[in-house]
Amino acid sequence: QQKVQQSPESLSVPEGGMASLNCTSSDRNFQYFWWYRQHSGEGPKALMSIFSDGDKKEGRFTAHLNKASLHVSLHIRDSQPSDSALYFCAATDTEGADRLTFGKGTQLIIQP
Amino acid sequence: ETAVFQTPNYHVTQVGNEVSFNCKQTLGHDTMYWYKQDSKKLLKIMFSYNNKQLIVNETVPRRFSPQSSDKAHLNLRIKSVEPEDSAVYLCASSYGKDTQYFGPGTRLLVL
Repeated sequence: QQKVQQSPESLSVPEGGMASLNCTSSDRNFQYFWWYRQHSGEGPKALMSIFSDGDKKEGRFTAHLNKASLHVSLHIRDSQPSDSALYFCAATDTEGADRLTFGKGTQLIIQP
Repeated sequence: ETAVFQTPNYHVTQVGNEVSFNCKQTLGHDTMYWYKQDSKKLLKIMFSYNNKQLIVNETVPRRFSPQSSDKAHLNLRIKSVEPEDSAVYLCASSYGKDTQYFGPGTRLLVL
């Protein structure tokens, strides 16, 4: 069973809109989350990590973690065409990033 | 800015051949990783390695082996490739347990 589930599989958002991506861990040990972004033909690039309940904001990106439900979301405001990419949620059982378990990803398409 | 370099970009080979992929990082990191990304884009870690410890994902077939000459290099060798090895192989590095930085990947096609 996939320990990290992401939804939706694919998401289309108009330029300038808000994109919301979801991720849930089915393993209570996996309480520490990362978001990665992968553009076509490139390797994934870390966007942000979130380890505590609540919101964490970095520029146009806001992550929200609910540890009780092991649910994390990523919100991208003022979406740009360059945000079109595959977004991965990854989870681990420690604050370290050395043993990441990745979800299957959400393909985000920003429509100009 | 690329700081994790992988060669080759793309490799085509026949079943049963041996292949080797190179990875070099210029970030001064002490830990390196190899991941496999399949045709459905699923990412799975294969190995993590620092100068103290090699951690192998138990699902990785024994024909795969990492090879390191120093902290900045971690190559991946596949002794006898199978069709199911066709994938993108991604190298990454980190300083301890900090953020991982990925290379652009090597795409392998096994005929």
